Amino acid sequence: DVKVTQSSRYLVKRTGEKVFLECVQDMDHENMFWYRQDPGLGLRLIYFSYDVKMKEKGDIPEGYSVSREKKERFSLILESASTNQTSMYLCASSLVLRDRTYEQYFGPGTRLTVT
Amino acid sequence: DAKTTQPNSMESNEEEPVHLPCNHSTISGTDYIHWYRQLPSQGPEYVIHGLTSNVNNRMASLAIAEDRKSSTLILHRATLRDAAVYYCIASYGKLTFGQGTILTVHP
Repeated sequence: DVKVTQSSRYLVKRTGEKVFLECVQDMDHENMFWYRQDPGLGLRLIYFSYDVKMKEKGDIPEGYSVSREKKERFSLILESASTNQTSMYLCASSLVLRDRTYEQYFGPGTRLTVT
Repeated sequence: DAKTTQPNSMESNEEEPVHLPCNHSTISGTDYIHWYRQLPSQGPEYVIHGLTSNVNNRMASLAIAEDRKSSTLILHRATLRDAAVYYCIASYGKLTFGQGTILTVHP
């Protein structure tokens, strides 16, 4: 079974803190993704990575950065947390299928509250 | 990614078939149709995907209209464990999740 794990299920941080969300996958997938999920807005892509040390901005990258130093690990960084970054954060990794589409595997999510 | 339109919610009874519709009238020739679902308190999980032909797997069937402007996810016998939010995505490459359809399954 593919496993995508996230470092915490629940996290509470203060405004202005630097926050690290860690994601690890065990299936040697090349692609990894960070989303946030908010009521009424669905899942929105923050950043993704197609390879080690490679990253691309998603739809809402402002206020976030990422790091991919090893293939299995993809970190999301909130440089200075703000209350509008309170959300559910979901990490995913993907397998590239024979038809060149992706089958994404998601972690359980981290519910981050910034106070 | 093509915009997709799904009903906000649907209901079904256990052990009955469920047909979840999705409209994607602006779909391009290279866009695949993907379905994911999200069970309560979990991340989304892959259900099925297809391009032009109908597809079947152990979880569901995907029926794609001939003009590809719409598709239907078919759960052949709904169980209580199928209660989830179902997302239809029309894209090639990265996925854009919309609001999805909340499926309620009654015992």
